[in-house]
Amino acid sequence: GENVEQHPSTLSVQEGDSAVIKCTYSDSASNYFPWYKQELGKRPQLIIDIRSNVGEKKDQRIAVTLNKTAKHFSLHITETQPEDSAVYFCAASTPGRRALTFGSGTRLQVQP
Amino acid sequence: EAQVTQNPRYLITVTGKKLTVTCSQNMNHEYMSWYRQDPGLGLRQIYYSMNVEVTDKGDVPEGYKVSRKEKRNFPLILESPSPNQTSLYFCASSGGAHTEAFFGQGTRLTVV
Repeated sequence: GENVEQHPSTLSVQEGDSAVIKCTYSDSASNYFPWYKQELGKRPQLIIDIRSNVGEKKDQRIAVTLNKTAKHFSLHITETQPEDSAVYFCAASTPGRRALTFGSGTRLQVQP
Repeated sequence: EAQVTQNPRYLITVTGKKLTVTCSQNMNHEYMSWYRQDPGLGLRQIYYSMNVEVTDKGDVPEGYKVSRKEKRNFPLILESPSPNQTSLYFCASSGGAHTEAFFGQGTRLTVV
């Protein structure tokens, strides 16, 4: 089945710096790659997603890139703010199979 | 308001005492899933359902049961809970396998 690896497990940045979280997946048939943000004590919520026919997608300070050949995708957050502090999960979905396979999560801490 | 509702939010129980965690969604979604979240392991899928009366095992189904008698409800049943099932549980629903998943508020279960 699909396996998603996520790095780093923790990331600390200064406010205003950029943060990058990377994920790799194992099933080349996977075609949907969402990113979820989970604030402390809250439920995961979708922040951005990308499909395999697109190489990059941006939404304000957040961007996701996908390299299908290398089977990896990344989340980029620019101009980080304290409210970006949370756990971020990547996920992958494969056609014809069950829903999402999640990575193990990255705890992002933005220092004011 | 579109939402996924889980109950209870917190539950402490004893080993072997059957329990049910309820999940209900009001978005007419076909796909529903249960996940457990443990530190360092991310979100692992327990069971999923693609429609009424259609369920299948996820990555960690042992010790759990589910049912999907109605589209809106997807209860998680622990017939004989054990301490290793102490975890944070999330129910999620989506319109398809490759679309945004909406999560419930979570249920923190402790089995003593």
